[in-house]
Amino acid sequence: QVQLVQSGAEVKKPGASVKVSCKASGYTFTGHYIHWVRQAPGQGLEWMGWINPDNGDTNYARKFQGRVTMTRDTSISTAYMDLSSLRSDDTAVYYCSRPGGTPGFFDYWGQGALVTVSS
Amino acid sequence: EIVLTQSPATLSLSPGERATLSCRASQSVTTYLAWYQQKPGQAPRLLIYDASHRATGIPARFSGSGSGTDFTLTISSLEPEDFAIYYCQQRSHRPLMYTFGQGTKLEIK
Repeated sequence: QVQLVQSGAEVKKPGASVKVSCKASGYTFTGHYIHWVRQAPGQGLEWMGWINPDNGDTNYARKFQGRVTMTRDTSISTAYMDLSSLRSDDTAVYYCSRPGGTPGFFDYWGQGALVTVSS
Repeated sequence: EIVLTQSPATLSLSPGERATLSCRASQSVTTYLAWYQQKPGQAPRLLIYDASHRATGIPARFSGSGSGTDFTLTISSLEPEDFAIYYCQQRSHRPLMYTFGQGTKLEIK
């Protein structure tokens, strides 16, 4: 079965960077885009961007351009999301997700990784 | 950027009642719209895609309708496990963007 397993919680200081991983299993990693979505405490969902694991192509939401980098390592079926210049309002749960049969809608989700930005 | 506006923000109903949730897009998304359910401490769960198609394993009491700018999620008879937050989400191609609505909290009356 499809599984997305994310790295653990992180605490970072303002101005630092964080890298969250998402290990995929149960399917061909290069066959489906991986998207990243975040959720601040008590708030709604915010799409950040996607990576095509097959060729490394990326597309980032305008809000995060210049601060986010999405990469992948096909040898270990893992996608990464790196967010730099962290601010307190970047405190959120970061999810990786994957479409199922229909592109652009997210059937499968990781368990989420809480990133706390605090001095 | 397409903005999705959900209403109401909170809906208070009793088990067995019918729930109607609305999602309005700032411009047409044709039928490129999905609905998700999220419970505390859990990742979202896809319920409906392409406006009206139930995702795998979703009970028949959940249905979606609409096209263009106005969409509805209907839960025909609420079960205790249906009380949660519901989000709509759209995908657009030009530019290639995905956005979520702000959510509707469905609470027990």
